[in-house]
Amino acid sequence: EAGVAQSPRYKIIEKRQSVAFWCNPISGHATLYWYQQILGQGPKLLIQFQNNGVVDDSQLPKDRFSAERLKGVDSTLKIQPAKLEDSAVYLCASSWDRGNEKLFFGSGTQLSVL
Amino acid sequence: AQSVAQPEDQVNVAEGNPLTVKCTYSVSGNPYLFWYVQYPNRGLQFLLKYITGDNLVKGSYGFEAEFNKSQTSFHLKKPSALVSDSALYFCAVRASGSARQLTFGSGTQLTVLP
Repeated sequence: EAGVAQSPRYKIIEKRQSVAFWCNPISGHATLYWYQQILGQGPKLLIQFQNNGVVDDSQLPKDRFSAERLKGVDSTLKIQPAKLEDSAVYLCASSWDRGNEKLFFGSGTQLSVL
Repeated sequence: AQSVAQPEDQVNVAEGNPLTVKCTYSVSGNPYLFWYVQYPNRGLQFLLKYITGDNLVKGSYGFEAEFNKSQTSFHLKKPSALVSDSALYFCAVRASGSARQLTFGSGTQLTVLP
């Protein structure tokens, strides 16, 4: 089966600019996650969707980060404006449903904020 | 709060020798425990999980993990290491019956020397 697709693979921006990441989960997976992985740390959950509804966004910095999953399939994560500390790898993952912890991860988008 | 500690940033082992990657956890109630592996420029891949039952869990690529409730540990093991096992390994935990999502450790870089 096709895996989780993410784009772009790399992105370099200056602080205060905006950026968007795209994710297409595995077909049929109802649950979609966005994680932030800062160098030397484990992934941290930013937001979780169940179909097109938000289940958990408690760790999403909502003053600058936003995410949507229109139609319950692919998803977009946006940062506006970006800060230096947002430099990280942004990972998208999906799973069959909310109770299934076998997550399938994409390769991630590496963001550098200068 | 739930947390995971991986006390070793780096583990080196000779090919053919047994390997152990350590993980300890803290969670309220019974834990659900997981190991994921990350190869360079790839997303995380699920290795194995412990939900309940037998304390020794077998997973992908010949890996296994032993749940020890008294020591709150979930160490990853393999009887004979391969060079291709070299990767970044993450332990993760969630409390059973909790709506909280997975909390990942900071990762352990495993290098298998030929």
